[in-house]
Amino acid sequence: GENVEQHPSTLSVQEGDSAVIKCTYSDSASNYFPWYKQELGKRPQLIIDIRSNVGEKKDQRIAVTLNKTAKHFSLHITETQPEDSAVYFCAASKSPHDMRFGAGTRLTVKP
Amino acid sequence: DGGITQSPKYLFRKEGQNVTLSCEQNLNHDAMYWYRQDPGQGLRLIYYSQIVNDFQKGDIAEGYSVSREKKESFPLTVTSAQKNPTAFYLCASRTGQSTDTQYFGPGTRLTVL
Repeated sequence: GENVEQHPSTLSVQEGDSAVIKCTYSDSASNYFPWYKQELGKRPQLIIDIRSNVGEKKDQRIAVTLNKTAKHFSLHITETQPEDSAVYFCAASKSPHDMRFGAGTRLTVKP
Repeated sequence: DGGITQSPKYLFRKEGQNVTLSCEQNLNHDAMYWYRQDPGQGLRLIYYSQIVNDFQKGDIAEGYSVSREKKESFPLTVTSAQKNPTAFYLCASRTGQSTDTQYFGPGTRLTVL
C-alpha cells in the first residue's frame, strides 16, 4: 500500500523567513495530495491541495509543488508569521478511501 | 468544517469498558471516516462509510465498531478488545462528488484510566 514519509519532523524558523516541508510517496497511482494544518488540540484544517495533473499551486503565502517522476511534493510557506506555528501534515491518495498521512512536521515561527 | 461535530471533547474510560464517540455532520456529505491520532504519528484510518448502512474497515479496525444508520451520524465504539485505546480520535466527512477533500471534526481525546 501507499507509504508517505514527511521531513523534517520539527522545523524552527525566524519570523519572515520561508519554511519548506517535504513529503515522498510510494504509490505512483496516487493522484491527490492535500496539506493540513493542525494547531494544538484542534482539528486538522485543509490549507492547500494539488492533483497529479498540476505541478504547482499557490495561495497567497502558501505554495505546493509536485514532482510525479520523483514521487515527492513540498509545502512552501513564505514570509512566515507566528500564527503559522502548528503541526503540518501531508497526505497522498489514489482513492477517497485510501488517504495516507505523513507523520507531521511541527513548525515553530520565532518572533 | 464547522458542520462536523464530535462529542464529548474529553472522555475517560476504565479498563474493560466500552465507550461510544459521537460524530455528526450537517453538510449532507455521503462519506464519513474515523481516524486515530497518536503523538508523532500520522492519522490512521479506523473505519469509513460511503453510504448509509454500509461501512468498511480501515487499517486499524480491530477493537472498534461503527454504525451508519443515518447519513448525518457515524458513531464509533471503542470496545474493551482495543488494547491501547488512549488517543485523539478524529471524524471526517467528504462529499460524494469528485473532490477528495476530507473535512475534520474537532476531535475527542480518549484516556483510559
